[in-house]
Amino acid sequence: QSVLTQPPSVSAAPGQKVTISCSGSSSNIGNNYVSWYQQLPGTAPKLLIYDNNKRPSGIPDRFSGSKSGTSATLGITGLQTGDEADYYCGTWDSSLSAPVVFGGGTKLTVL
Amino acid sequence: QVQLQESGPGLVKPSETLSLTCTVSGGSISSYYWSWIRQPPGKGLEWIGYIYYSGSTNYNPSLKSRVTISVDTSKNQFSLKLSSVTAADTAVYYCARPMITFGGVIVSLAFDIWGQGTMVTVSS
Repeated sequence: QSVLTQPPSVSAAPGQKVTISCSGSSSNIGNNYVSWYQQLPGTAPKLLIYDNNKRPSGIPDRFSGSKSGTSATLGITGLQTGDEADYYCGTWDSSLSAPVVFGGGTKLTVL
Repeated sequence: QVQLQESGPGLVKPSETLSLTCTVSGGSISSYYWSWIRQPPGKGLEWIGYIYYSGSTNYNPSLKSRVTISVDTSKNQFSLKLSSVTAADTAVYYCARPMITFGGVIVSLAFDIWGQGTMVTVSS
């Protein structure tokens, strides 16, 4: 059971927009920055978003992040078949549990 | 640019110790944190622990009694040892660089560089 809760799967058609939610608590998302990762099949995760809404160099602006209270959202516009992947949120947790926590992951299917 | 490469045995017997090394190339290991993360087949990511280049560590409480992460700055490497392994420790093990900023109350954390991962199977 992951500390951060993500939907197991989402789907949308090419060209459309999709959002992936990540729900936590005041000890993690509520008081710390959120990052998002894309894991293409058979590869290592790749950083997509950091500090809630910042994109590393080379990440297209089709990917966006936001945070409100104890939840965060990853948005992807102009969906492409190459966006089919697992997406994970992560953050710091200030409670007595593990300080680094991830969501359980969301499988994005581009129909 | 900085690259990470995991190395170590792909098969470990139950009750033995899993040992992996991550080699940092294209940059110095100094002044950064370094981490191990694992992913059981078909499952999500689990953070194992991190080490600062100076040697201070922080481990996942669920694994703390069995984990040791160490760093060798002279070789630009850091290592993972996980003792008393069972089949539940079968996973792809990634080394990664966490960019951590402690800004008073709020913490910024993001894993910006990852190794390709190495599959470790625990089986007799």
